[in-house]
Amino acid sequence: EAGVVQSPRYKIIEKKQPVAFWCNPISGHNTLYWYLQNLGQGPELLIRYENEEAVDDSQLPKDRFSAERLKGVDSTLKIQPAELGDSAVYLCASSEGNGEAFFGQGTRLTVV
Amino acid sequence: AQSVTQLDSQVPVFEEAPVELRCNYSSSVSVYLFWYVQYPNQGLQLLLKYLSGSTLVKGINGFEAEFNKSQTSFHLRKPSVHISDTAEYFCAVSPPVMGDKIIFGKGTRLHILP
Repeated sequence: EAGVVQSPRYKIIEKKQPVAFWCNPISGHNTLYWYLQNLGQGPELLIRYENEEAVDDSQLPKDRFSAERLKGVDSTLKIQPAELGDSAVYLCASSEGNGEAFFGQGTRLTVV
Repeated sequence: AQSVTQLDSQVPVFEEAPVELRCNYSSSVSVYLFWYVQYPNQGLQLLLKYLSGSTLVKGINGFEAEFNKSQTSFHLRKPSVHISDTAEYFCAVSPPVMGDKIIFGKGTRLHILP
């Protein structure tokens, strides 16, 4: 069974440019998470979906970040415009609601 | 609200020696507890989880953890580490609602010394 798939693995962009990350969760998993991981830190939740509904986006900086999960499957996370401080690893995870989340390999974003 | 404290940012240990990585949590309600491992340039992989029942939980790669409600701790242990255990370890907590958000500690980097 395929795990959580994220793309791209790495992205380098100039500040003020837009960027988008894509996540394909494990089939059948209704819950999808986007986490931000800064160097040397634990993951911090950005947004959580139950099917297509964003049920917790309180930590998402809505002035520049947006996310969507159309049809309750794949999800995209967008930053526009990117800032230097957005350089981090963006992790996607999914869960079928049994207390275990499965993580993708992450997208490492570098803003220069 | 829940929070997680990992008391050590780095733990050096000799190969084949035992190791304990400490984790304390704070919550006003009962919680689910997890330990995840992150190898370099990889995502997080679940080592073990405590949802209910026996307080001693066994996970993959020979790791185990013990839930101690009175001390609000969930320390991770392994009796004999291997060089391949070199990684970052994250303790995490979640409210007892399936699919709710998971809150992570800052992580402990395990260094295995030859």
